[in-house]
Amino acid sequence: DAGVTQSPTHLIKTRGQQVTLRCSPKSGHDTVSWYQQALGQGPQFIFQYYEEEERQRGNFPDRFSGHQFPNYSSELNVNALLLGDSALYLCASSLFRTSGSFTDTQYFGPGTRLTVL
Amino acid sequence: RKEVEQDPGPFNVPEGATVAFNCTYSNSASQSFFWYRQDCRKEPKLLMSVYSSGNEDGRFTAQLNRASQYISLLIRDSKLSDSATYLCVVTDNAGNMLTFGGGTRLMVKP
Repeated sequence: DAGVTQSPTHLIKTRGQQVTLRCSPKSGHDTVSWYQQALGQGPQFIFQYYEEEERQRGNFPDRFSGHQFPNYSSELNVNALLLGDSALYLCASSLFRTSGSFTDTQYFGPGTRLTVL
Repeated sequence: RKEVEQDPGPFNVPEGATVAFNCTYSNSASQSFFWYRQDCRKEPKLLMSVYSSGNEDGRFTAQLNRASQYISLLIRDSKLSDSATYLCVVTDNAGNMLTFGGGTRLMVKP
């Protein structure tokens, strides 16, 4: 049973550049959430995708955007990179419960470590 | 005030010790509660869900007090392999968005 996969594992960019990170959810999952984890802090919620739409968004600027594909995989795009965007970007997948609005347990991928110089 | 607050530690304990972590959260409408474990430079992994009735998984016991908006994790008979950062996590009122505390670092020493 394939878990959550993310690519690339590491990335180095310079200020002002754009970056795209990719995530494939755990087999059988249909919901993808993205988190940013700065060094020494807990992960912070960026947004969540279900049925190819952004369902919920955290307190992140519009420079952060995403997409979900019909196969449930997802991309996170960050434009106009800032030094402060350096972090571990985590993707988590889950299964949307049709019985209600609650999502099931979220499972995390290994993350993409982004360094902005 | 942070939405989820934890003592960052580190907690330095000898093998075999019992250690307890606490966490408070501000959103009284939070639906679900979890403890995740994160090893250095790795992704968070679900340790256990937390229920008002309390739940136990081997050496780990978690407890939720909704009235006080307080969550706890107790680790008995600590092992070297328990060394990690423990993240307290709550969901929003729809159960969708995870809000993490800053984590509590545990170091178990021989």
